[in-house]
Amino acid sequence: SQELEQSPQSLIVQEGKNLTINCTSSKTLYGLYWYKQKYGEGLIFLMMLQKGGEEKSHEKITAKLDEKKQQSSLHITASQPSHAGIYLCGAPGVGTSYGKLTFGQGTILTVHP
Amino acid sequence: DAGVIQSPRHEVTEMGQEVTLRCKPISGHDYLFWYRQTMMRGLELLIYFNNNVPIDDSGMPEDRFSAKMPNASFSTLKIQPSEPRDSAVYFCASSLGWERETQYFGPGTRLLVL
Repeated sequence: SQELEQSPQSLIVQEGKNLTINCTSSKTLYGLYWYKQKYGEGLIFLMMLQKGGEEKSHEKITAKLDEKKQQSSLHITASQPSHAGIYLCGAPGVGTSYGKLTFGQGTILTVHP
Repeated sequence: DAGVIQSPRHEVTEMGQEVTLRCKPISGHDYLFWYRQTMMRGLELLIYFNNNVPIDDSGMPEDRFSAKMPNASFSTLKIQPSEPRDSAVYFCASSLGWERETQYFGPGTRLLVL
């Protein structure tokens, strides 16, 4: 079965700093979803990457998919307290199992004002 | 749209009791998913439905767990009898389709079994 490892497990930054979260897969990635979760709330969809080399941005968050490295990265520029939360990556299954997502353990981000 | 709706948001029960979690997916979505999130195991898929039909329940931990979807706007996840190790956050999610579609999550039900 596929496993996703996120690094770092937790991150504390000062407001205004840039940061990167990585998601590495044990198998080939056929896509990658990024979600954000706040305590006591559900997962909020951020971005979906569908093919190797793809890069997407939304506001100050940029995500990339490196198929060869079986890895995705999430980069936040000029972090703000509103970026704090748990970031989860999710990988689709193979072929007919595409919708069966496997998730990483999450990265806890704290942003100090 | 109101998004995926789950109830109750919090549930505290005693071991051995029956627990029923409820979910209303986003209107028009054909797929519904039930997940469980724990510190030890992270977020795991339990079961999913397509057009109200259960397709894959390989993630359901034991026979104590059952899920139904009597119509397109309602699903339940039942645990009978409940055990302390079932304590977790249970999420429901729905999507428009299967491939390359986004799964939208509900707020979750935080279950504590004493």
